[in-house]
Amino acid sequence: QSVLTQSPSASGTPGQRVTISCSGSRSDIGSNSVNWYQQVPGTAPKLLIYSDNRRPSGVPDRFSGSRSGTSASLAISGLQSEDEADYYCASWDDSQQRAQFGGGTRLTVL
Amino acid sequence: QVQLVESGGGVVQPGRSLRLSCAASGFIFSSYGMHWVRQAPGKGLEWVAVIWFDGSNQLYADSVKGRFTVSRDNSKNTVYLQMNSLGVEDTAVYYCAKVGVPTTVKGWLDAWGQGTLVTVSS
Repeated sequence: QSVLTQSPSASGTPGQRVTISCSGSRSDIGSNSVNWYQQVPGTAPKLLIYSDNRRPSGVPDRFSGSRSGTSASLAISGLQSEDEADYYCASWDDSQQRAQFGGGTRLTVL
Repeated sequence: QVQLVESGGGVVQPGRSLRLSCAASGFIFSSYGMHWVRQAPGKGLEWVAVIWFDGSNQLYADSVKGRFTVSRDNSKNTVYLQMNSLGVEDTAVYYCAKVGVPTTVKGWLDAWGQGTLVTVSS
């Protein structure tokens, strides 16, 4: 069972804005930045957001992240069909001395 | 460009061992921590282990502690995952991934390999 909690599914229609949440604890999200990964089924994960809200080169500015307290969220605006994928949050846990992933959220574009 | 290529996966019987390799190129390998992450069929990502940039320290998930060992050879730009006493629960695609910031292990993973499938079955 994942320590970082994500809703298993989310959906939206093209052009909509969707938000995916990630809940943790004081020792992980409460103490360390959050990163988000996008995984199209059958392919390797890809870094989408790092250090809470920074986008790697090549990631559209439709994707944004935020962190507050022990929670974080990923927002996708102007939803497109190619955004259909699994999204994982991740952070470091200082007390357990390990990396943590959320259980993942499957985004469906209707 | 950064490239990570895993190898060594396959079908293995319960209780046996397997060693995975991850060959890196396109960056100064000896400056970066490396993680192993796995994904069981139809499941989410699970962190497995990390090794410091210089090999001086390693950390493991509770599910593999005492059975798996991560190591690296900076002269060969390769990180390894030795997996012993394998069980059916270890069946997964195993990815190696590079930390995005040098000399730390807590940062984001900015490059991933394509993964190698390990199937534990009798």
